[in-house]
Amino acid sequence: GAGVSQSPRYKVAKRGQDVALRCDPISGHVSLFWYQQALGQGPEFLTYFQNEAQLDKSGLPSDRFFAERPEGSVSTLKIQRTQQEDSAVYLCASSSGLAADTQYFGPGTRLTVL
Amino acid sequence: AQSVTQPDIHITVSEGASLELRCNYSYGATPYLFWYVQSPGQGLQLLLKYFSGDTLVQGIKGFEAEFKRSQSSFNLRKPSVHWSDAAEYFCAVGAGSGGYQKVTFGTGTKLQVIP
Repeated sequence: GAGVSQSPRYKVAKRGQDVALRCDPISGHVSLFWYQQALGQGPEFLTYFQNEAQLDKSGLPSDRFFAERPEGSVSTLKIQRTQQEDSAVYLCASSSGLAADTQYFGPGTRLTVL
Repeated sequence: AQSVTQPDIHITVSEGASLELRCNYSYGATPYLFWYVQSPGQGLQLLLKYFSGDTLVQGIKGFEAEFKRSQSSFNLRKPSVHWSDAAEYFCAVGAGSGGYQKVTFGTGTKLQVIP
């Protein structure tokens, strides 16, 4: 079966541009997570969705970051007015919805802000 | 809040040698513990996880890890390393509340395998 997919795989943006990163979770997975992985670091939690509800956005670094999952499936992470410090790999993960379930990760989107 | 420390940034081992990657965590309750592997350009793949029960956990690709509560450790081991094991390894701790895992990752250990 298909895993978590993300698009685009690579994105180059000029500082100040808006970007949108897409995540397609595993079909039927209730939970969806976004992480940010800076160069040389481990992933850091950004936000969590249960179906279409965003239940935790405590990791979003600023109000320029916005995530949505309007139909409880595909999710989009949007970054407005990108800054150089936003350069990172953005990882999406999904799980079945049980607290003890494994999170399955996508390949990530590498964002470079010039 | 939970935290994870991976004290070794980079480790080099010879193919066929044994491997141990260290991980220490900080969490107030019984943790959910994970080891993930990340190859260049790839997403994170789960090697193994500990939720409860037997403290010696077997994973994929011949890896195992042992949960030691007294030492707050969850070290990853493999008896004989293969060249294909070269990758970055992340230890992580999950705090389960509200029906989901808020996972905190360590900074990773990059494994190099030499012939």
